[in-house]
Amino acid sequence: QAQLVQSGAEVKKPGSSVKVSCKASGGTFGSFSVTWVRQVPGEGLEWMGGIIPISGTADYAQTFQGRVTMTADQATSTAYMEVSSLRSDDTAVYFCARKFQNWLDLWGQGTLVTVSS
Amino acid sequence: EIVLTQSPGTLSLSPGESATLSCRASQNIGSTSLAWYQQKPGQAPRLLIYGANRATGIPDRFSGGGSGADFTLTISSLEPEDFAVYYCQHHDRSPTFTFGQGTKLEIK
Repeated sequence: QAQLVQSGAEVKKPGSSVKVSCKASGGTFGSFSVTWVRQVPGEGLEWMGGIIPISGTADYAQTFQGRVTMTADQATSTAYMEVSSLRSDDTAVYFCARKFQNWLDLWGQGTLVTVSS
Repeated sequence: EIVLTQSPGTLSLSPGESATLSCRASQNIGSTSLAWYQQKPGQAPRLLIYGANRATGIPDRFSGGGSGADFTLTISSLEPEDFAVYYCQHHDRSPTFTFGQGTKLEIK
């Protein structure tokens, strides 16, 4: 059964970077794209962007343009999302999800990133 | 840019009752590009409804309806495990995914 397994929780200093991984186990990304969604504690879901692993093409939400980089390694079926210049308001749970047509049908378990001095 | 507005913000009901959650789009988005997700505390969202379809493993007490700019998620005969936060979501040809702000369904 396909699953998306994300890397573990991180604690980072303001101004540093974090790189979150998302591995497809029990299958591969195939031709699907991987989407990243952020959820600040107690708040709603925010689309960050997505990447098509087979081509490496990525699209980013304007809010994150220039500060977020999404990559993928087809050989290991792993997608990555890096956020640079971290601020305290980047403290959130970051989810990866598989895009199927217009929906997100398979989600990772989420990675909590805490930004604190 | 399409904005999705969900109502009510919080819905208090008892098990066995029916729930109707609303999602209104800022413009006509047709009938096939809206989805609903359920999220429980500490968990990832789970896809419930996409277009007019239930996702795999979703009980038939969940149903989605609507078209144009007004959509509903109906849960008939609420079970204890249905109390959660529900989000609607839109995506079409543009790369952008848009989410509503969520409706919290709580036990009365």
